[in-house]
Amino acid sequence: GQNIDQPTEMTATEGAIVQINCTYQTSGFNGLFWYQQHAGEAPTFLSYNVLDGLEEKGRFSSFLSRSKGYSYLLLKELQMKDSASYLCAVIDSNYQLIWGAGTKLIIKP
Amino acid sequence: NAGVTQTPKFRVLKTGQSMTLLCAQDMNHEYMYWYRQDPGMGLRLIHYSVGEGTTAKGEVPDGYNVSRLKKQNFLLGLESAAPSQTSVYFCASSEKGGGYNEQFFGPGTRLTVL
Repeated sequence: GQNIDQPTEMTATEGAIVQINCTYQTSGFNGLFWYQQHAGEAPTFLSYNVLDGLEEKGRFSSFLSRSKGYSYLLLKELQMKDSASYLCAVIDSNYQLIWGAGTKLIIKP
Repeated sequence: NAGVTQTPKFRVLKTGQSMTLLCAQDMNHEYMYWYRQDPGMGLRLIHYSVGEGTTAKGEVPDGYNVSRLKKQNFLLGLESAAPSQTSVYFCASSEKGGGYNEQFFGPGTRLTVL
């Protein structure tokens, strides 16, 4: 079967750095997305990786290792507004998006 | 641009009732999707459409039907609602399918079936 694993919940301090991991086992791989979802709202796009390596976009970076079936989202200089769920999703061999259950990130002052 | 809109935002149904959820997008996207999101689970694809007049089943299609008569609209129907269909329903659209196909989501419909 297809499986995406993320930690259920993480806590971090305002101003710090946090890394959210995602491991996947899917039938094929055609890319990986990270989305942010604030409570009661819709998911919004953060990043896309299809090749190995680090993609940086402001305070957020996303890393991919296809050989290890692993990605992480790195958030720097955490702000209270970063409190949200972070969803990892993989495009499989049929070009379907397989979603992880999401990681709820709690930021404390 | 409104992006992706969904109506209604909230709904309470009794078991056996029917309803239709409406999704509209103004980005001229070809692909549209219906997902459900339940606590502790990832988004699960119910049905999707790759263009006007087309529909296809996703991961959890049972108990739902869809139609895409116009490119900008994607309707999700529940013929006979069951408590197991209590969920948050999200509609999404993307310019195309394939690899990089960033999906844009609507605000969601919170459905409770009693």
